[in-house]
Amino acid sequence: ELKVEQNPLFLSMQEGKNYTIYCNYSTTSDRLYWYRQDPGKSLESLFVLLSNGAVKQEGRLMASLDTKARLSTLHITAAVHDLSATYFCAATYTDKLIFGTGTRLQVFP
Amino acid sequence: GAGVSQSPSNKVTEKGKDVELRCDPISGHTALYWYRQSLGQGLEFLIYFQGNSAPDKSGLPSDRFSAERTGGSVSTLTIQRTQQEDSAVYLCASSSGALSYNEQFFGPGTRLTVL
Repeated sequence: ELKVEQNPLFLSMQEGKNYTIYCNYSTTSDRLYWYRQDPGKSLESLFVLLSNGAVKQEGRLMASLDTKARLSTLHITAAVHDLSATYFCAATYTDKLIFGTGTRLQVFP
Repeated sequence: GAGVSQSPSNKVTEKGKDVELRCDPISGHTALYWYRQSLGQGLEFLIYFQGNSAPDKSGLPSDRFSAERTGGSVSTLTIQRTQQEDSAVYLCASSSGALSYNEQFFGPGTRLTVL
């Protein structure tokens, strides 16, 4: 059974700072997703990573995948308050998604 | 185009009652998934449909939970004799095929509160 570990669980960041969220998964997976969830809302897809070495960027967020290390990272550059949300990684496993625990990001002035 | 829709958006029920949650997938999507998001357990897979059949029901937490899909479209998740631990947000998602090759799109969820 695939397990997905995500850390940190909670991240309080000052605006303008950089930080990285880590996502480890325990066995081979075809796809790695990053989602954003705002309070009371559903999941918004941010990135889909398919292959080793894949890197995708959107604004201040950049996601990468190392399939050999079974590690994905979500890097936040120069954080702004609008990025405050909970971020989940998820890996595909036998036609379902296995989610990490989520990282609650809070960006303060 | 329309995304995944779910109804009701909120449901409050008394312990012991049965509830039905509905999911309308994106038109043409053959695969449909139910997940549950609760404070104690995070986001958990419940069941997966391909067409009208459910090849993977491994996430259903007890025999009080059941789901069906008709016409390859709408799905209903039924919880019988609800318990307080069933309180959670139930998320539905759909995709146009196998997850290895197709992205999954999530609905807004149904927040279930069992009193």
